[in-house]
Amino acid sequence: GENVEQHPSTLSVQEGDSAVIKCTYSDSASNYFPWYKQELGKRPQLIIDIRSNVGEKKDQRIAVTLNKTAKHFSLHITETQPEDSAVYFCAASISFQKLVFGTGTRLLVSP
Amino acid sequence: DVKVTQSSRYLVKRTGEKVFLECVQDMDHENMFWYRQDPGLGLRLIYFSYDVKMKEKGDIPEGYSVSREKKERFSLILESASTNQTSMYLCASSRQVYYEQYFGPGTRLTVT
Repeated sequence: GENVEQHPSTLSVQEGDSAVIKCTYSDSASNYFPWYKQELGKRPQLIIDIRSNVGEKKDQRIAVTLNKTAKHFSLHITETQPEDSAVYFCAASISFQKLVFGTGTRLLVSP
Repeated sequence: DVKVTQSSRYLVKRTGEKVFLECVQDMDHENMFWYRQDPGLGLRLIYFSYDVKMKEKGDIPEGYSVSREKKERFSLILESASTNQTSMYLCASSRQVYYEQYFGPGTRLTVT
C-alpha cells in the first residue's frame, strides 16, 4: 500500500524565517495531497491541499509544491510567526477517500 | 460550522473490557473515519465508512470493529481492550471524494 515519509520530525526557526517540510510518497497513483496543522491540544485542521494536475498552490504565507516525477511534495511557510508553531502532517490519497498520513513535523517558531 | 463530537475526552478501561467510542457529525457527511494518533507515528487509519452500514478496513484494523447504523454516527469498538491500544483516538468526517476531513476533539484512551 501507500507509504508517506515526512521530514524533518522537528524544525526550529526564528520568527520571520521560512520553513520547509518535505514528504515523499510511494504510489504513483496517488493524486491528492493535503496538509493538516495540529496545534497543541487541538484537533488537526486542513490548511492547504493540492491535486496531481497542479504543480504549485499558494495561500497567503503558505504554499505547497508537487513533483510527480520524483513523488515528493513540500509545504513552504514564509515569514513565520509564533502562531505557526504546531505539528504539521502531510497526507496522500491513493483511493477515493482514504488518506495515508506522514508521521508529522513539529515546528517551533521562536520570537 | 461543521461539528464533529466524540463521546468522551478521556477514558480509562481495564484489560479485557469491551470499549465503545462514539462519534457524531452534524453536516450530513457521507464519509466517516477512525484514526489513532501515537507520538512519532502520525495518524493511522483504523476503519472508514463511506455510507450507512458500509465499512472498509484501514491500515491497522486488528483488534477493532466499527458500526455505522445511522449516517451521522460512527462507533469504534474494542472487543477486548489491551494495553497496546492505549492511544489518542480521532474521528473525522468528510463529504464524498477529496474533500476536507473535519476532525473531532479526540478521546484519550488508557487501558490498564
